Amino acid sequence: SQQGEEDPQALSIQEGENATMNCSYKTSINNLQWYRQNSGRGLVHLILIRSNEREKHSGRLRVTLDTSKKSSSLLITASRAADTASYFCATAPRAYNSGGSNYKLTFGKGTLLTVNP
Amino acid sequence: KAGVTQTPRYLIKTRGQQVTLSCSPISGHRSVSWYQQTPGQGLQFLFEYFSETQRNKGNFPGRFSGRQFSNSRSEMNVSTLELGDSALYLCASSLLLDRGTEAFFGQGTRLTVV
Repeated sequence: SQQGEEDPQALSIQEGENATMNCSYKTSINNLQWYRQNSGRGLVHLILIRSNEREKHSGRLRVTLDTSKKSSSLLITASRAADTASYFCATAPRAYNSGGSNYKLTFGKGTLLTVNP
Repeated sequence: KAGVTQTPRYLIKTRGQQVTLSCSPISGHRSVSWYQQTPGQGLQFLFEYFSETQRNKGNFPGRFSGRQFSNSRSEMNVSTLELGDSALYLCASSLLLDRGTEAFFGQGTRLTVV
């Protein structure tokens, strides 16, 4: 079953604008990861935020995590046409540990971002 | 460092046939996971292997199976193919660390069942 739910399902903006995508989940997590997928290709890892972190930055990406609300957001600043893709959040369960048991990611259905030149 | 390699990239099979997909993880990664992606169901977890042992399995029928070799390479097999098995199959490898670890995905194998 899908744990993460991205919002909105689709987002269309102009180049240079910021894009914000949200993700909600249901159970306790070890970490939350954001991925990008271009037109049916593989997933590209963007950023990982751990359950004890509240905000993380990577280049033009900013991710926040609110474990009390079980939600996360991904902000892409100064968007470019090349950012056009589907974006997914994925959660790793709290039961995961370094011994490696139960390591699996649960994905949301994704947000389709279109950046118009 | 080479990324995750999946072969083949595309496959067309007939209903009732079986298929084997291959995944070579990033060097040093011992955890390999498989996911199925379809327009209707999205990305769904199939199974995860670590040190040649399947530790976790998703909600898929027994026709879906896999294995991992001593060099961490993994294969998944689907027997008695059905039309609904048409999907993008993605493999991910992970290093697995205490404080969380990224999963790195391959380009996927696009399976079409006709």
